[in-house]
Amino acid sequence: EAQVTQNPRYLITVTGKKLTVTCSQNMNHEYMSWYRQDPGLGLRQIYYSMNVEVTDKGDVPEGYKVSRKEKRNFPLILESPSPNQTSLYFCASSLGTGGDYGYTFGSGTRLTVV
Amino acid sequence: GQSLEQPSEVTAVEGAIVQINCTYQTSGFYGLSWYQQHDGGAPTFLSYNALDGLEETGRFSSFLSRSDSYGYLLLQELQMKDSASYFCAVPTSYNTDKLIFGTGTRLQVFP
Repeated sequence: EAQVTQNPRYLITVTGKKLTVTCSQNMNHEYMSWYRQDPGLGLRQIYYSMNVEVTDKGDVPEGYKVSRKEKRNFPLILESPSPNQTSLYFCASSLGTGGDYGYTFGSGTRLTVV
Repeated sequence: GQSLEQPSEVTAVEGAIVQINCTYQTSGFYGLSWYQQHDGGAPTFLSYNALDGLEETGRFSSFLSRSDSYGYLLLQELQMKDSASYFCAVPTSYNTDKLIFGTGTRLQVFP
């Protein structure tokens, strides 16, 4: 089944403790993105990648890192999480740019930083 | 800045037709997309418009007017399962994957 897989689905962590949210897609998509979703703010793009080793900032990149060493994987790293990073995170992939080809989203990761 | 504006909530009854509007302010225009998200679920891609006019896909249609910086999603023969949030989205530059989403319109369908 074609899908984007994120792990974990739920995560509670403490301020400052480094964490990684994994994302993997099995559709051979070139384009991948990370979004966070907060009530009343919609989806905001954190980082995107248009190919292996090519990443760029979205609208809200502060406090996050990403890497794209392989086409299928696009992990999101929070080096020193803070409570304002408590949010619902989505990874997404697309055959072309997500605007016209449309994203396939993962099931989401609900992160709580205390 | 670049922004998208959508109504926060729309209500309708089963079998009716509803239109969800999206007005955008961007420095350039590279297409308008629509996504559906059920409570607790992930967004799913519905449609994309690059040119003016109406694109129909089953019960859902999407319209674009580039001269008015405006688009809408039209849902016909509403069903209870259409109760969800709907987001419009636009790329902010050409040939990149930098995308901004509207804040979403919550559609409630009543029996």
